[in-house]
This record gives sequence, structure tokens and C-alpha cells, in this order.
Amino acid sequence: DVKVTQSSRYLVKRTGEKVFLECVQDMDHENMFWYRQDPGLGLRLIYFSYDVKMKEKGDIPEGYSVSREKKERFSLILESASTNQTSMYLCASSFAPGTGSYEQYFGPGTRLTVT
Amino acid sequence: AQKITQTQPGMFVQEKEAVTLDCTYDTSDQSYGLFWYKQPSSGEMIFLIYQGSYDEQNATEGRYSLNFQKARKSANLVISASQLGDSAMYFCAMRGRTSGTYKYIFGTGTRLKVLA
Repeated sequence: DVKVTQSSRYLVKRTGEKVFLECVQDMDHENMFWYRQDPGLGLRLIYFSYDVKMKEKGDIPEGYSVSREKKERFSLILESASTNQTSMYLCASSFAPGTGSYEQYFGPGTRLTVT
Repeated sequence: AQKITQTQPGMFVQEKEAVTLDCTYDTSDQSYGLFWYKQPSSGEMIFLIYQGSYDEQNATEGRYSLNFQKARKSANLVISASQLGDSAMYFCAMRGRTSGTYKYIFGTGTRLKVLA
């Protein structure tokens, strides 16, 4: 079974704090993604990575950065948290070499509140 | 630009009946993939079914089937014999190429409520 884990289910931070959200997958997936989910807006892609040390901006990268030093780990960083970054953050991974399958597997999500 | 549209914010269905959740997409690419995910109230996204743009047969997975109409750019999810546990949010998604890079985009979702 594919497993994607996220470091926290719930997080409360203050405005201006630096926030780290960690994601780990155990299925040797090459691709990893960070989304935020807000009511009525669906999932919006923040950043993604198709390889170690590689990153690409998604649709809403402003205010975020990412790090992928190891294949299984993809971190999302909020450099200076703001109240408009209060949201549900979902990590996903996809594609193990040789499978030809591209469905994404998601972690349980981190509900971040910035006060 | 690529886009996924789900026009039904919410739907009700009686237990044991079939229900269709609508999804239309827009892309100029010839090679793309379409996915449906379920998100129960617990929050975790669960992959349900996949359809490739070159697949001639509609995909099926148990009680789930994908009604793929390429010319109309629609990829509706059909759930047969609905169960109470099917109550959830359902998202349609597409993997396609934008500026040379494959990306996934999601619709805004349909909330399904199954009635006993």
C-alpha cells in the first residue's frame, strides 16, 4: 500500500512565523506535489517536484517555498506566515518507474491556522 | 489553458440507486489523463478511477465507471447501487501538459449525499 504521511494533522501558528510542513512517501514515487484546499476552490497546486532537488512553481507559489533533498521527502515552507495562508494543505505523490500509472496518492492533510 | 469544470456543487441520491457526477474538461493536448477522487469527511483523498485519452473503452472499477465522451470533452463518474458510505466530496482531475510540463488540475468538487 502506498503511504503518504504528513508531519501534522493540525497546526496553529502566529503571523510572521516560519512554518515547515513535511511530507514523506514510501513507494519510491518520483513526483511529489503540494496543494492547498479551500472551500469552493477545489485543490490548487502550490509547488511540485519531478525529481530530487528539482522544483517547479504551481499555480499559487507566492509566499511559499519547497525543498526536496531526498526522493521520499518534500517539504513546504511558509517563510512568513500570514492569515490568508490559513487552509488545508495536502501533499501527494505519483509515479513509480516501470508502473506507467500516474494517479496521485494523498496524505491525510494538515489543517493550518495562522492567527 | 487547461480547465476542469464540475457544475454540480451538491447532489442527493437515494440508497441503492445510481448517480452520475458531471465533469467537463478543456485541453488542446492530445495526450492526457482523467481521474476521479473521493474525499470523505475525514479529509483524505482517495483515488477511484482513471481514463486515458487514448483509451477506447470506458474505465470501470467495481461500482464506479467513467463515461468518457472525448468529442464532448466530458468524463462523468457513474456510481451504481449507491451506499451510505459513498457520501463524500468527489473531485475530477486531469493530468495534461502546460508549457511542456505535465501538471494536474482539479475541479471544484461535487458533494454527494446518499439518503437512506
